[in-house]
Order: sequence, then structure tokens, then C-alpha cells
Amino acid sequence: ETGVTQSPTHLIKTRGQQVTLRCSSQSGHNTVSWYQQALGQGPQFIFQYYREEENGRGNFPPRFSGLQFPNYSSELNVNALELDDSALYLCASSLPGTGIGGANVLTFGAGSRLTVL
Amino acid sequence: GDSVTQMEGPVTLSEEAFLTINCTYTATGYPSLFWYVQYPGEGLQLLLKATKADDKGSNKGFEATYRKETTSFHLEKGSVQVSDSAVYFCALDRGSTLGRLYFGRGTQLTVWP
Repeated sequence: ETGVTQSPTHLIKTRGQQVTLRCSSQSGHNTVSWYQQALGQGPQFIFQYYREEENGRGNFPPRFSGLQFPNYSSELNVNALELDDSALYLCASSLPGTGIGGANVLTFGAGSRLTVL
Repeated sequence: GDSVTQMEGPVTLSEEAFLTINCTYTATGYPSLFWYVQYPGEGLQLLLKATKADDKGSNKGFEATYRKETTSFHLEKGSVQVSDSAVYFCALDRGSTLGRLYFGRGTQLTVWP
């Protein structure tokens, strides 16, 4: 089975620009979550998509938006980039509630490293 | 709110040394607890998990026991190897269908031969 793949792996943008990051979920997984990992920090939940709808959101402003497509792949869009948006963006796919005891087991991609200058 | 606190790193050990990385949590209800590992240049990989009090998760020689009375989930390994060098993250899942993970800040482990 294929894992979670993300693109691009690295990119550099300037303040005010917009960026789109892409994620292909693991085969059979219908839920995609996005996390932001700043340098030296743990990942922070941005939002989750299930059945092409946003299914929950962390403490991120509306300029962070996303899409999920019928094949369960997903995009993360960030508008009006700020310096603090520089981070590793991780995509994770899952089948909700299928882990032992209902725990959700996420499969993570390798991430897209965004640098904002 | 829900949160995870991990011991500050970095941790530097010699090969075959004993490893402990402390993790405590704050959460309502009965969360599931996880340890993830991140090797250089890679994404997060699930190392082990525990879904209820007193459960012990184990994998690749690593173990962690879900202690509800002390709200802890400390990671241990009896004999580390150079290949264990990575960043380790403790995380909790509150147990909703959302599947949102709350992560600690991570602990960098370096093992020298």
C-alpha cells in the first residue's frame, strides 16, 4: 500500500504571497488532517477534512484554508503569507475511529517545508 | 485545555544506555496516548500507543505505560542504539471522532557509539 505523499517538499515564498500544498492520502483512508510544525516545536493541528468538508479546525486564521477531493487527496492553501508561517506542514490520513479502542491512528507524510522571506 | 508536556531535550546517551523520556498530560475524559518518532528529513511515525489506563504500549524495544493516577506516559528503552537517534513526540487523542492529536514539543535523542 502506498503511504501519504506530499508536494512540494521544499519551497520559498515572500511575505504576502499565497501558497498551495498538496497531499495524497494513504490508500483506503478517507480523512485528511493538516498540521503545522514550527522549528523546535511539536505539530499543531490546523484542520481536518472528511467527505470533502472541513470537519474541525484548530486555532488558525481564515487565511489558512483547504480542500479535499473525491479521491480523498487534499490541498492546504495559505494566503497573505507571514514570516511566522515558515514551518514544516504535515499531512496525515486516517480512517476515523478504526484504531484499537476507537483511537484514531494517523499516517503522516514527510511534509512540505515552507520558508517565508 | 488538553495539553502534553515533555521533558526538555536534547538527550545524549551512549549506545546500550537506558532511556527515559518523561511525558505528562492534561485532558478531560479518557484520552488515548501515543509516542511518535521523527527521523531526520522524514515525517512522523507511530512508535506505540495505549488507549486506556494501565495499558502498556510497546514496539522495537520501546515501552510506555498509561498511568492515569499520575497522568503520565513515560517512554523507556533498556538499551538504545545509534539508529534510535531521532526526535520523539508524546501525543494524546481525546477520543472524539475528529482524530485531533495534541503533541508535546518533542525530545531530541542522540545516541553515540
